[in-house]
Amino acid sequence: AIQMTQSPSSLSASLGDRVTITCRASQDIKNDLGWYQQTPGRAPKLLIYSASSLHGGVPSTFSGSGSGTDFTLTIDSLQPEDFATYYCLQTSKYPWTFGQGTKVEIK
Amino acid sequence: EVQLVESGGLVAQPGGSLRLSCAASGFSFIDYTMYWVRQAPGKGLEWVSVITWDGKSTYYGESVKGRFTVSRDNNKDSLYLQMESLRTEDTGMYYCAKEGVAVAGLFDSWGQGILVTVSS
Repeated sequence: AIQMTQSPSSLSASLGDRVTITCRASQDIKNDLGWYQQTPGRAPKLLIYSASSLHGGVPSTFSGSGSGTDFTLTIDSLQPEDFATYYCLQTSKYPWTFGQGTKVEIK
Repeated sequence: EVQLVESGGLVAQPGGSLRLSCAASGFSFIDYTMYWVRQAPGKGLEWVSVITWDGKSTYYGESVKGRFTVSRDNNKDSLYLQMESLRTEDTGMYYCAKEGVAVAGLFDSWGQGILVTVSS
């Protein structure tokens, strides 16, 4: 199975900060990658698909980039509702695999 | 509005079996690929299984392959997960999810989840 290595596992940031989360695939997955946001006790929400396409209703402060093996999720100007855990998910080959998650906490 | 509601057995002993169901409404169930995703307590997300609209293709995560079976009944708008040879590490929240529209096959709607506990 394709392994997804996500970093960092957690980070502390302040309101208004810019945050970057990375995901590395163990093999070329082209742009077959999505990003999800999960808050405690809730089901995850889709943020980004095809590595860089913003899902409907997601604020433009979120952006994704990358292709091949290296991908990035960037959050510009952190808002209170952005403090959550973020996961990448590769959809290139079954079984699909998630990254380990990045918890974004308030500094 | 899309609704996915999971139900089924909640507790089992190691080596036992459980069957989860997911009742779908608010969309044309037969048109969509469906998924199961799980999350152990305090841990990350794990992709479990997928089944195509017609039930003819299924795939499984490595940790459940050979033990879990996904199926669907398009006449009942329902998705199922039969879990056999359960292990303590199968404990967690199980979500059913629906393939999204124009989002490269990713799932964009989830159920509220159902907690499965495997313990002696």
